[in-house]
Amino acid sequence: SQQGEEDPQALSIQEGENATMNCSYKTSINNLQWYRQNSGRGLVHLILIRSNEREKHSGRLRVTLDTSKKSSSLLITASRAADTASYFCATDRSNTGKLIFGQGTTLQVKP
Amino acid sequence: GAGVSQSPSNKVTEKGKDVELRCDPISGHTALYWYRQSLGQGLEFLIYFQGNSAPDKSGLPSDRFSAERTGGSVSTLTIQRTQQEDSAVYLCASSPGLALSGNTIYFGEGSWLTVV
Repeated sequence: SQQGEEDPQALSIQEGENATMNCSYKTSINNLQWYRQNSGRGLVHLILIRSNEREKHSGRLRVTLDTSKKSSSLLITASRAADTASYFCATDRSNTGKLIFGQGTTLQVKP
Repeated sequence: GAGVSQSPSNKVTEKGKDVELRCDPISGHTALYWYRQSLGQGLEFLIYFQGNSAPDKSGLPSDRFSAERTGGSVSTLTIQRTQQEDSAVYLCASSPGLALSGNTIYFGEGSWLTVV
């Protein structure tokens, strides 16, 4: 079974609003990564947070990690139409080389 | 090129035929991953390589699927006797080391396979 599960599955907001996506996982991890995918093709790395970190920022992105709840959230502030894409969390499984992706959240930002 | 290169970009094949999908990772990247993504779905992990070794092949959907990597570089994913349910985008990614060590993985643009 897949390691990560995102919610919501789909999110539609107006430009300028904030978008929050959540990811839950099942087993211990070393780190958690967020990726973005446009138009069903290759994914682009956004941010990585290690298991000993609780929060990380990159530009308009803010990621939190709660290892006790096995969950992470991705916040995109002041969203833009260009942020429209699918967003995936990915987790490794401790002591394996696998990187498992969740089902993704499809974000639509309306201009 | 500087990125992960996959070929072909698009492939239409008849049911029952074999297909080979190729991945050229970023030079020097030791880890290589294959994923499958059906329309509107998430990424399904297939297999990863560390060097030329594939420590875990459990993600391959059936024995019709196989993958190899030679010279620590190019990888080929082979699907024998293709079925319609094999239709999907096959994504390859590479990284300098394993993801568990905190390495970012870099994706190719994928090979879109349609089995008719």
